[in-house]
Amino acid sequence: SQQGEEDPQALSIQEGENATMNCSYKTSINNLQWYRQNSGRGLVHLILIRSNEREKHSGRLRVTLDTSKKSSSLLITASRAADTASYFCATTYNTDKLIFGTGTRLQVFP
Amino acid sequence: GAGVSQSPSNKVTEKGKDVELRCDPISGHTALYWYRQSLGQGLEFLIYFQGNSAPDKSGLPSDRFSAERTGGSVSTLTIQRTQQEDSAVYLCASSLWVADTIQYFGAGTRLSVL
Repeated sequence: SQQGEEDPQALSIQEGENATMNCSYKTSINNLQWYRQNSGRGLVHLILIRSNEREKHSGRLRVTLDTSKKSSSLLITASRAADTASYFCATTYNTDKLIFGTGTRLQVFP
Repeated sequence: GAGVSQSPSNKVTEKGKDVELRCDPISGHTALYWYRQSLGQGLEFLIYFQGNSAPDKSGLPSDRFSAERTGGSVSTLTIQRTQQEDSAVYLCASSLWVADTIQYFGAGTRLSVL
């Protein structure tokens, strides 16, 4: 079964708005990663946050991690139409095998 | 090559036929992964190769699925006697086997079983 569950399943916003996606997981982790997928094809790594980190930034992306709640959030600020994609969280624990969440489909309207 | 390469990009086959999907990882990456993604769903782990270690096959859904990795590089995923429920996008990824590893994905093979 999948480790992560993401919320919401789908999100529609206007350009310029912020988009927030949440991920919950079930067991201990070494790190949590966020990936982006365009058009149902290959995934692209966005950001990695370690289990001992609480917040990380990369450009317009901000990721938080709360290990006590086993949850993470991805915030995309000042969204653009090009941000339209599916976003997945993925976790590892004592292995390089990634366990993916169910994904959030983000639609950004111009 | 510069990235993970998968072939074919699309495959249409008839129920009951065997198919082979190929993955060429990034040069120097010791770990290789296969995933399956059904329409609108998340990624389902299938199998994981790491160096010369025995592969982790725990995600293979049935004995009709097998994979090999020759010479620590190219991998082939074989599906025997394909069924309609095998229709999905099959994604391959590779990584350097280090702490905080990041996986690099190919564009996938879209398999349609008629």
